[in-house]
Amino acid sequence: QLVDSGGGLVKPGGSLRLSCAASGFPFSNFAMSWVRQAPGKGLEWVSGISDSGDTTHYADSVKGRFTISRDNSNSSLYLQMNSLRAEDTAVYYCVKAQYYDYIWGLPNWFDPWGQGTLVSVSS
Amino acid sequence: EIVLTQSPGTLSLSPGERATLACRASQTVNSNYLAWYQQRPGQAPRLLIFGASRRATGIPDKFSGSGSGTDFTLTISSLEPEDFAVYYCQQYGDSLPYTFGQGTKLEIK
Repeated sequence: QLVDSGGGLVKPGGSLRLSCAASGFPFSNFAMSWVRQAPGKGLEWVSGISDSGDTTHYADSVKGRFTISRDNSNSSLYLQMNSLRAEDTAVYYCVKAQYYDYIWGLPNWFDPWGQGTLVSVSS
Repeated sequence: EIVLTQSPGTLSLSPGERATLACRASQTVNSNYLAWYQQRPGQAPRLLIFGASRRATGIPDKFSGSGSGTDFTLTISSLEPEDFAVYYCQQYGDSLPYTFGQGTKLEIK
């Protein structure tokens, strides 16, 4: 099970930190990601992190502004979002991968998904 | 980056009918690493199919996936009210970013 939290209303240029609490599986064994969905729109992968946290990946749209991290001792995933823009407004979902990292050839579909947390960026 | 195009954008059918949703990739999907997700209103997406044709745990056999290469299909037999939702395909065979289709909305006719 994945429980997302930390969303809210923030002004453009502001910061927010999302959290995801995991349970029911060996969190430290699996890569994780964040996927977002703008209001009325489709799904967009945002960022991913390996099981140990040593490897991180970002979509071009958030590179340099967002930072993904994890705390395996607390089975938690985080997304630090800085320099937020109106186009970052979305529901953000925490998702579990199937393997330890995002390596070409490893079948990493997303399951399960958290319930999502809404981030609104507006003045 | 692989672009996934889903068709139709909206599909209007009646309960009891069969639904066929398509997903076309801009290039071959490695090892048929393609998934389908269902998203009901106000809910998070839920995995239905992975590996193009393998049902996820707990998914009824009225959902079936097929296809290979660049063309994939999700079929839902005998639609029930809870099946009316938005469906997304996703490829995970390429390097990141994994990409999603734009979605097909299945609505009650």
